[in-house]
Amino acid sequence: AQTVTQSQPEMSVQEAETVTLSCTYDTSENNYYLFWYKQPPSRQMILVIRQEAYKQQNATENRFSVNFQKAAKSFSLKISDSQLGDTAMYFCAFRPGGTSYGKLTFGQGTILTVHP
Amino acid sequence: ETGVTQSPTHLIKTRGQQVTLRCSSQSGHNTVSWYQQALGQGPQFIFQYYREEENGRGNFPPRFSGLQFPNYSSELNVNALELDDSALYLCASSPQGADEQYFGPGTRLTVT
Repeated sequence: AQTVTQSQPEMSVQEAETVTLSCTYDTSENNYYLFWYKQPPSRQMILVIRQEAYKQQNATENRFSVNFQKAAKSFSLKISDSQLGDTAMYFCAFRPGGTSYGKLTFGQGTILTVHP
Repeated sequence: ETGVTQSPTHLIKTRGQQVTLRCSSQSGHNTVSWYQQALGQGPQFIFQYYREEENGRGNFPPRFSGLQFPNYSSELNVNALELDDSALYLCASSPQGADEQYFGPGTRLTVT
């Protein structure tokens, strides 16, 4: 069974600054996917960024980037130039690869507050 | 917007009752998953349907059941409601071969 751990229940950052959210996971799989999802107070879960485990290059989406350390089973999210709209709960999620069975295993979440 | 809709938005039921929650996915999304999210927690996988057949199940009792229809809609049914069933229920759909899942806004179920 896979587990995903987010050790920071809450984080805060000033607008325009950079913040990093941590995530570690445990799995015996070699082929898998990792995701960061954002859930604003409106509660609709939105995909922020994804990483395939077989890719060594860290994924980047505009202001969002990840630091994927496969050996350490670590998958952190860096948000640059933070904006007020980034305020949300952020979830790290794991999905096994090589199958159409797309069960996502989520961490406990990190509440991020961006202050003006 | 993800193109995934859910109804109703909120629902209040009494312990022991039955409830049906609905989800409508985008055309071509032949995989749908349901998750239960307790307040302040991460979502927990209930089950997944692929081409109208159950394709995996999490650690939930049989009183949680589902259906998927050819028109890309699906249902989550919960029988004999318990107080602990109070949660946000999320559905998520995926097109064929995709890695990511697209979530709906959820249905907030309160059991009293």
